[in-house]
Amino acid sequence: AQSVTQLGSHVSVSEGALVLLRCNYSSSVPPYLFWYVQYPNQGLQLLLKYTTGATLVKGINGFEAEFKKSETSFHLTKPSAHMSDAAEYFCAVIPSSGGYQKVTFGTGTKLQVIP
Amino acid sequence: NAGVTQTPKFQVLKTGQSMTLQCAQDMNHNSMYWYRQDPGMGLRLIYYSASEGTTDKGEVPNGYNVSRLNKREFSLRLESAAPSQTSVYFCASSYNPSTDTQYFGPGTRLTVL
Repeated sequence: AQSVTQLGSHVSVSEGALVLLRCNYSSSVPPYLFWYVQYPNQGLQLLLKYTTGATLVKGINGFEAEFKKSETSFHLTKPSAHMSDAAEYFCAVIPSSGGYQKVTFGTGTKLQVIP
Repeated sequence: NAGVTQTPKFQVLKTGQSMTLQCAQDMNHNSMYWYRQDPGMGLRLIYYSASEGTTDKGEVPNGYNVSRLNKREFSLRLESAAPSQTSVYFCASSYNPSTDTQYFGPGTRLTVL
């Protein structure tokens, strides 16, 4: 069975600093990978996703993530944090083995941006 | 284009009461999902409907039932609410369940006393 691990349930960064949110998956076959963001009292919305092709994926609001097969990782980064980035971030995976597959979400990382 | 809508936004129930959470999407998506979100546990899938006319259990189906009324609507029913069902419930939809982005509703905050 696949699983998703997000290291750090809470991450604090200063405004303007690098944002790095970690996501590792366990799967024998590289899955499809997603990052979602949840602002307070809202549903989740997609930041970016990797299915095939280029391993560096750019998303909305200046975020990007790199799929590293050798490290089974899909870490989310942003060069310079903004106050509006304060939210909870979820990594998610779907097996790529064909047919209908259910998505598995990580437990989330709350990002705090300090002015 | 409203996306995914959920009603109600808030609900308080007493133990043993029943209720139905409603969800509708206007994106012509094939698949719909119900999740619950609890602190520190991320999102857990309750039930899903890969296509109209089908429903299947997810990770935590006990105490819930669902109905895929048509392609647009997917309801979640709590027959006899328990305090352990206090949570935030999200409905989501996607066009292709195997690869596609899921689109989420705003959520329903349910408290069971």
